[in-house]
Amino acid sequence: AQSVTQLGSHVSVSEGALVLLRCNYSSSVPPYLFWYVQYPNQGLQLLLKYTSAATLVKGINGFEAEFKKSETSFHLTKPSAHMSDAAEYFCAVSDLIDMRFGAGTRLTVKP
Amino acid sequence: NAGVTQNPKFQVLKTGQSMTLQCAQDMNHNSMYWYRQDPGMGLRLIYYSASEGTTDKGEVPNGYNVSRLNKREFSLRLESAAPSQTSVYFCASSVGTSGLGDEQFFGPGTRLTVL
Repeated sequence: AQSVTQLGSHVSVSEGALVLLRCNYSSSVPPYLFWYVQYPNQGLQLLLKYTSAATLVKGINGFEAEFKKSETSFHLTKPSAHMSDAAEYFCAVSDLIDMRFGAGTRLTVKP
Repeated sequence: NAGVTQNPKFQVLKTGQSMTLQCAQDMNHNSMYWYRQDPGMGLRLIYYSASEGTTDKGEVPNGYNVSRLNKREFSLRLESAAPSQTSVYFCASSVGTSGLGDEQFFGPGTRLTVL
């Protein structure tokens, strides 16, 4: 069965610092992997998606993620954090009709 | 386009009461989903519908029923609400009938409290 583990329920960085949000997955078949962002009191929005075309995936707002099959990881990074990046981030895996989400990582950006 | 809309935005129920959460999408998507979001648990799938006229159970279907009224609308019903159903409920849709690999588009959510 597919599943997702996000390491760290809360990450705090300073404005301008590197953002690294960790995601590990398990799947019996090559998966589709996603990162979604949720701003307060809103639904989820897609940041980026991996579909096996390229291992480094670029998304919106300067975020990118690298698929590493050997490590079963799909970590999300951004070189320089902005105050507007403060939100909750969810990693998700899809290898069947449904999608399984991680528990989420809340990103705080300090001025 | 409004995307995915949900009604109501907030609701308070007493234990044992029933209610229906409404969801509609105007993107001509085939698949629709209902999730619940609880702190520290991410989103868990309650039910989904891969096409008009079909529905299937997800990870946590107990205590819920759904209706795919037409291609646009997918409602979630709580027949006898329980405090354990206090949660934020999200409706989502995706373009394909298989759902596999498709981006899901989410509504703004319904915050439900059961006393």
